[in-house]
Amino acid sequence: GAGVSQSPSNKVTEKGKDVELRCDPISGHTALYWYRQSLGQGLEFLIYFQGNSAPDKSGLPSDRFSAERTGGSVSTLTIQRTQQEDSAVYLCASSLRWADTQYFGPGTRLTVL
Amino acid sequence: AQTVTQSQPEMSVQEAETVTLSCTYDTSESDYYLFWYKQPPSRQMILVIRQEAYKQQNATENRFSVNFQKAAKSFSLKISDSQLGDAAMYFCAGDYGGSQGNLIFGKGTKLSVKP
Repeated sequence: GAGVSQSPSNKVTEKGKDVELRCDPISGHTALYWYRQSLGQGLEFLIYFQGNSAPDKSGLPSDRFSAERTGGSVSTLTIQRTQQEDSAVYLCASSLRWADTQYFGPGTRLTVL
Repeated sequence: AQTVTQSQPEMSVQEAETVTLSCTYDTSESDYYLFWYKQPPSRQMILVIRQEAYKQQNATENRFSVNFQKAAKSFSLKISDSQLGDAAMYFCAGDYGGSQGNLIFGKGTKLSVKP
């Protein structure tokens, strides 16, 4: 079946603007993860959803970052008042259940000018 | 601390030759999973191979195999008969069973394949 999809593929925004990044997990996968990949920090875990449970937000770098997952499927990562240091590739992954193999989407490259 | 370390920022191999990418890790957990992911310039993170820590047998997937040394906390990836399409960033990652279930990644090794 279809893999994890993410949109947009690339996003350029101005400092201070809000952005929304979307992730469509593999159908039937209950666990969903967001990671950030930047040159200086490598791959960092941001947030994790399991089914309809409240997400674990402990990895979010600041309160400008938030995420939601509607109906246990599609997830949106929102970054408010973007800063230049938010420039990175944002990767989404899903797995059948917690602790199963994670399958990644193609990522969204965010550039904050 | 739970960590994954890749000490080779870049590696190069001749087409059709064999190359080994190194990875060491640290965890106090007894049950965990280790992975190698490949990330070509397209950015898509592709699963290469997975190893369950409780299995002594090294995982193999076609031309890709691992050398899992649990006592030494070492998890290297061997690519045999290297092909041009193998050129990519390779990330070693550990799933140590934390409450979040998130992966902990190494910094990556950039593999070049020379024709």
